[in-house]
Amino acid sequence: QVQLQQWGAGLLKPSETLSLSCSVHGESFSGYYWTWIRQPPGKGLEWIGEINESGSTSYNPSLESRVTISLDTSKNQFSLKLTSVTAADAALYYCARGPSQRIFTQLGFYYNGVDVWGQGTTVTVSS
Amino acid sequence: EIVLTQSPGTLSLSPGERATLSCRASQSISSSYIAWYQQKPGQAPRLLIYGASSRATGIPDRFSGSGSGTDFILTIRGLEPEDFAVYYCQQYGYSPRTFGQGTRLEIK
Repeated sequence: QVQLQQWGAGLLKPSETLSLSCSVHGESFSGYYWTWIRQPPGKGLEWIGEINESGSTSYNPSLESRVTISLDTSKNQFSLKLTSVTAADAALYYCARGPSQRIFTQLGFYYNGVDVWGQGTTVTVSS
Repeated sequence: EIVLTQSPGTLSLSPGERATLSCRASQSISSSYIAWYQQKPGQAPRLLIYGASSRATGIPDRFSGSGSGTDFILTIRGLEPEDFAVYYCQQYGYSPRTFGQGTRLEIK
């Protein structure tokens, strides 16, 4: 059973760099996109970006100038860096598996959604 | 960017009733790339439906999804007390992979 365990600094000052990591247990990186999602207090979900097993990334245009997602296959983990944080970046940050790439079955194929989530890391930004 | 608009914002129903939640996309999306999630307070979201109509592993059959093009529906038949939560739709066919703003399902 796949499990994601995430960690990183939870209290930052404005202009600092947010750095979170997510360890993947029980699965390799192939066949999925590996995603970061955040949720400001009391608000909805915001997709930050993703990386696949080849290291190809895609980012939310609203964050693209500040965000980097990377992969370390030797440690089976992926990471998020967000530079120049402000109070607007305060949120609960999740690492997650998904969506999948094409999955073939006897009946055809499908694309799975985000099906495994980390426990979340609360990030506070305060001077 | 594809914008997903969920309605209603809040839905008040009683246990045993049927819930119908809507998700409308700003442009047509293949149904292969629509998911629904349930989130309870203090918990990470849980995948309910992928591909617009396929239930994820372990999801009860009272949850069903439907729709095509720009309009997608999550239906919950015979609401159980544990179903009262916030529900999000997501499209994952285009980048950025956007979420709707959520529908809160509350006990009437």
